Amino acid sequence: NAGVTQTPKFRVLKTGQSMTLLCAQDMNHEYMYWYRQDPGMGLRLIHYSVGEGTTAKGEVPDGYNVSRLKKQNFLLGLESAAPSQTSVYFCASSRGRADQPQHFGDGTRLSIL
Amino acid sequence: GESVGLHLPTLSVQEGDNSIINCAYSNSASDYFIWYKQESGKGPQFIIDIRSNMDKRQGQRVTVLLNKTVKHLSLQIAATQPGDSAVYFCAESMGLWTDKLIFGTGTRLQVFP
Repeated sequence: NAGVTQTPKFRVLKTGQSMTLLCAQDMNHEYMYWYRQDPGMGLRLIHYSVGEGTTAKGEVPDGYNVSRLKKQNFLLGLESAAPSQTSVYFCASSRGRADQPQHFGDGTRLSIL
Repeated sequence: GESVGLHLPTLSVQEGDNSIINCAYSNSASDYFIWYKQESGKGPQFIIDIRSNMDKRQGQRVTVLLNKTVKHLSLQIAATQPGDSAVYFCAESMGLWTDKLIFGTGTRLQVFP
């Protein structure tokens, strides 16, 4: 049972390039989340989804877009990467609302030069 | 190596001793609380959760205590082992009334022989 799988694990981009981070979960969870984690800060929510075909903004959505075309997948896009987006990105999923644990992938380490 | 966790408070304990990690939460309306463990280069791993109608919950070698009066949460680890070395952080939410968890910044636990 893989749980939450994120690809790629590492990536280096140049300023202005675009890319998509992939998240897949095999737990049949309704809810999926994208976070970023920066030194000395707690996890910050970028975007999330409460079900297939839905997305919503989190705390720090600017510069990112997301799509949830299939229940098991949640994609995070950077249209024009900026150095401020250098971070570790985590995807998580949960069965329902925030009265249940979220289960995390092992992250994507992204550097923007 | 993993740069997340710079400047975090650190708890150093000897192998075999008990560890107590504390967390102050901010919202008196929070109804649900979780503890996560994050090892270097990995995603957060769910340890234990507790709802506001409980004061204490026990798992395998771990106990979570909730004091709603002073908005304080603690994680107790019995017979700490080297494999317990990690960053631990708490998260809170308003349970069924929200889709989002709010994460703390964490405490680094170092276990020495």
